[in-house]
Amino acid sequence: AQTVTQSQPEMSVQEAETVTLSCTYDTSESDYYLFWYKQPPSRQMILVIRQEAYKQQNATENRFSVNFQKAAKSFSLKISDSQLGDAAMYFCAYMGTYTGTASKLTFGTGTRLQVTL
Amino acid sequence: NAGVMQNPRHLVRRRGQEARLRCSPMKGHSHVYWYRQLPEEGLKFMVYLQKENIIDESGMPKERFSAEFPKEGPSILRIQQVVRGDSAAYFCASSPFGMGGDNQPQHFGDGTRLSIL
Repeated sequence: AQTVTQSQPEMSVQEAETVTLSCTYDTSESDYYLFWYKQPPSRQMILVIRQEAYKQQNATENRFSVNFQKAAKSFSLKISDSQLGDAAMYFCAYMGTYTGTASKLTFGTGTRLQVTL
Repeated sequence: NAGVMQNPRHLVRRRGQEARLRCSPMKGHSHVYWYRQLPEEGLKFMVYLQKENIIDESGMPKERFSAEFPKEGPSILRIQQVVRGDSAAYFCASSPFGMGGDNQPQHFGDGTRLSIL
């Protein structure tokens, strides 16, 4: 079964600084998708960024970028120029492409990010 | 351009009662997914439905839980004879096609927080 591990329950970053959130996963599949979702106190689940495993280039979305290391099964999220509005829970998620894993997201336990002045 | 609509936002039930959670997918989306989030945990997949069909219910508890997505109307997650352990946030997501991966990420509703007295 696929598993997603986020080993940092909490992280803190100063405003305007850069922070990296870690995520590792376990799978036997070769083709899959990885996601980072943000959950602010409002509890809404917001897609931050996604990566296709077959693409070697790391995905970027404005201040958010990932470091995808397929061989190491690592998928970290880097937030540059952190803003107060970035404070939230961040969930790493996996979706396979084969029968039994396709179309359902497997989430990690989350990292709570605090942004300080 | 309404997103995924879930209601109610908050539902309170007494032990033994029935809970009905509703989800209207985004316009043009015919695939619905339900997830459960226990306190301080990540989301856990429950069930994936297409119009009038259950595609994958591997995450649904075997008893008391059922889901449907009729031809007309919202998707319904039904919990019979609720117990304290059912207290959680229940999220619905939708996508236009299956897989929900490449260019078709799952869009989440704001969730229903179910509290059992």
